[in-house]
Amino acid sequence: NAGVTQTPKFRILKIGQSMTLQCTQDMNHNYMYWYRQDPGMGLKLIYYSVGAGITDKGEVPNGYNVSRSTTEDFPLRLELAAPSQTSVYFCASSSPDGQESYGYTFGSGTRLTVV
Amino acid sequence: GQNIDQPTEMTATEGAIVQINCTYQTSGFNGLFWYQQHAGEAPTFLSYNVLDGLEEKGRFSSFLSRSKGYSYLLLKELQMKDSASYLCAVKDSNYQLIWGAGTKLIIKP
Repeated sequence: NAGVTQTPKFRILKIGQSMTLQCTQDMNHNYMYWYRQDPGMGLKLIYYSVGAGITDKGEVPNGYNVSRSTTEDFPLRLELAAPSQTSVYFCASSSPDGQESYGYTFGSGTRLTVV
Repeated sequence: GQNIDQPTEMTATEGAIVQINCTYQTSGFNGLFWYQQHAGEAPTFLSYNVLDGLEEKGRFSSFLSRSKGYSYLLLKELQMKDSASYLCAVKDSNYQLIWGAGTKLIIKP
């Protein structure tokens, strides 16, 4: 079981460039999430999905887009990268409420720098 | 607004016991989580509390008081590998996780 796989692990973007962060899970989890983590700050929810074809904004969605065409994949798209998007990005997945004792499973993260 | 408070940093000695506190003010409550995060790595799930009281898992225990908006994580028999950040998170009335900034725990020999 691979769990949650994120790629790439590191990336440097120039201002105005675009990129897609990939996230795949093999646990058949319905719920998937994208977070960003800035130094000394809590995780901030960017977007989440409760199932294939369904996505919704989190706390900090501006400058990002997502899609969920399959249960397994939940890519995050950055359009027109800005220095404020320099952060560590984590993808996570979970089973629907009722199985909370297992918590969220996180990917290994993508460290993004926008210069 | 929604708020979760944890100490920024704590130091403890190998073999000792440490208690990391978390207080929260959220719109509704549907459970509290503790995660461990080693530097440069992803958070990993430690515990989940939804009812008042103590949950024990080996060397780690987590306590919840909903009336006080308070939780703590208790780590016993500290080992050097326990040096990490510990994140408290609360699921609010919309079932969204609100995260604290984390407590960096430094273990000294």
